[in-house]
Amino acid sequence: QSALTQPASVSGSPGQSITISCTGTSSDVGAYKYVSWYQQHPGKAPRLMLYDVSDRPSGVSNRFSGSRSGSTASLTISGLQAEDEADYYCSSYTSSSTPVFGGGTKLTVL
Amino acid sequence: QITLKESGPTLVKPTQTLTLTCTFSGFSLSTSGVGVGWIRQPPGKALEWLALIYWNDDKRHSPSLKSRLTITKDTSKNQVVLTMTNVDPVDTATYYCAHTPRWLHFYFDHWGQGTRVTVSS
Repeated sequence: QSALTQPASVSGSPGQSITISCTGTSSDVGAYKYVSWYQQHPGKAPRLMLYDVSDRPSGVSNRFSGSRSGSTASLTISGLQAEDEADYYCSSYTSSSTPVFGGGTKLTVL
Repeated sequence: QITLKESGPTLVKPTQTLTLTCTFSGFSLSTSGVGVGWIRQPPGKALEWLALIYWNDDKRHSPSLKSRLTITKDTSKNQVVLTMTNVDPVDTATYYCAHTPRWLHFYFDHWGQGTRVTVSS
């Protein structure tokens, strides 16, 4: 199974909204509502931000939202803050009954 | 409060077998739906899912690494063990274990701090 495709980098200014895409196939993102997103700051373990496409775990700001259209899932961060600067990874269930991660996106807050 | 901690060697020689242990607290691996997975991250690279074991002993492995991986659990000790055979320098990475609360949803809501493993002669 191939890694999901994410843009290598995105950037935005404080207060703005940004969207990170996660493109898969009809065997993963396009087939299942089991997409999750993780935030990772340098030297730290990943943190779950969204699961099942758009559900937020307790403690995650409602500035983070998710959606899915066809074989592409998206993470949107509104009201961008300096602390949002991090790497973001998507993950999806696949037809192999295993998950796969995306290649990661570096978010820079200008 | 759920916590997980990885342990194992920091340096392994090529062709050797790597054994990593995840010791956790705050949940039981006998609870329906719960699982523990392993994910690794080579330096400067992306996350890669390796394996997962559920409360009912359902085991999943990365298709590309399946022949080299074994995952087991010891419910009484609150531990999950991952073994990887025939390691290579490309297996150098930080290895994380993580908790998943729902069977086959494959998301990880609690992570360990990670353990760095270097494969080198």
